[in-house]
Amino acid sequence: DQQVKQNSPSLSVQEGRISILNCDYTNSMFDYFLWYKKYPAEGPTFLISISSIKDKNEDGRFTVFLNKSAKHLSLHIVPSQPGDSAVYFCAASNSNDYKLSFGAGTTVTVRA
Amino acid sequence: DAGITQSPRHKVTETGTPVTLRCHQTENHRYMYWYRQDPGHGLRLIHYSYGVKDTDKGEVSDGYSVSRSKTEDFLLTLESATSSQTSVYFCAISLTLRLAGGQNEQFFGPGTRLTVL
Repeated sequence: DQQVKQNSPSLSVQEGRISILNCDYTNSMFDYFLWYKKYPAEGPTFLISISSIKDKNEDGRFTVFLNKSAKHLSLHIVPSQPGDSAVYFCAASNSNDYKLSFGAGTTVTVRA
Repeated sequence: DAGITQSPRHKVTETGTPVTLRCHQTENHRYMYWYRQDPGHGLRLIHYSYGVKDTDKGEVSDGYSVSRSKTEDFLLTLESATSSQTSVYFCAISLTLRLAGGQNEQFFGPGTRLTVL
């Protein structure tokens, strides 16, 4: 039973516009959330994270929002660039455990 | 980039044969993980290690075993490969269980594409 769900398998966005990726989780014990980016034939790379004590974390063009009551987080990319075309994975963990639970991923395509 | 290598990068094998995948790190990180990536499933944890000779099962461990005799090496073995084990396998490492704020970034290797015919 997947505890982290990314219900949109793909997203297409025009260059310069905002990309919004969504992620839902079911385990209320999760208190740390991460986003990873993956290019074809490469391993995932860490992008941004957020602790449950915060509701927003920003790093350059990337912002993650956390809504604990809804068990929902989102990743905003503004503005979207062609190099952002990749698969994005949402992941979650409990700080008492070092295992990560991953969503199925969302493939983002940025159109010129 | 974290110093993580995986070998081989690609392998084709036949059903019933044993296969060993190797993960090597130069970061001296304590924790190491093996994941498989399949369409529609994201990354699923197979086994992990929290120290030399200390390993435990993940969510999809059936048919797999692991060994860690040195900090830098984590081996994944398919005792008798099956077609359902055709996948991309990723090794990951992390420094510690808990940093300030409960952080637990894992750093991934480049992956091994395994095909079982």
